[in-house]
Amino acid sequence: GENVEQHPSTLSVQEGDSAVIKCTYSDSASNYFPWYKQELGKGPQLIIDIRSNVGEKKDQRIAVTLNKTAKHFSLHITETQPEDSAVYFCAASMGGSQGNLIFGKGTKLSVKP
Amino acid sequence: GAVVSQHPSRVICKSGTSVKIECRSLDFQATTMFWYRQFPKQSLMLMATSNEGSKATYEQGVEKDKFLINHASLTLSTLTVTSAHPEDSSFYICSARRSSGRSDTQYFGPGTRLTVL
Repeated sequence: GENVEQHPSTLSVQEGDSAVIKCTYSDSASNYFPWYKQELGKGPQLIIDIRSNVGEKKDQRIAVTLNKTAKHFSLHITETQPEDSAVYFCAASMGGSQGNLIFGKGTKLSVKP
Repeated sequence: GAVVSQHPSRVICKSGTSVKIECRSLDFQATTMFWYRQFPKQSLMLMATSNEGSKATYEQGVEKDKFLINHASLTLSTLTVTSAHPEDSSFYICSARRSSGRSDTQYFGPGTRLTVL
């Protein structure tokens, strides 16, 4: 079955710096890769996703890149702000009705003012 | 993004009682909903997949008689923790899958904090 590895487990950056979180997956059939942000005591919030037909997707300060050959994808946050502090989860699935999301273990991002 | 609600947000109950948690997709219909459990500082653990009009599919190690799931409509799934014990205390999160053409997206509810005394 699919296995998703996420690194680092914790990441501390200074406000205004960039943050990068990386994930690798094992099943080449996976074609859908969402990223979720979870604040303390709340449910995960979808912040960006990418499907296997594109290599990069950007939404304001957030971008995700996908390398299907190497089976890894990354989340990039630029100009970080204290409110970006949260736990971020990557996930992978085969998409559609066949695939359940397989989650990474999460990255706790701390943005210091 | 789509909206998924959960009720209650927090519940405290005595050992041996049953607790029902509701999950609703507010602005879309969801034939499939999911129930997750999350312990502190850990990732989400899928408990079961809830399909509208049919039996839920449980992950290995999850007791179907203890965690009863009902998905009676396209916008509502319920999880009932029967005969709850302190070890069932956890953060329970549901999600709903929204289908749009050839792509599916999963949206999560805000979670329910269950404390069993």
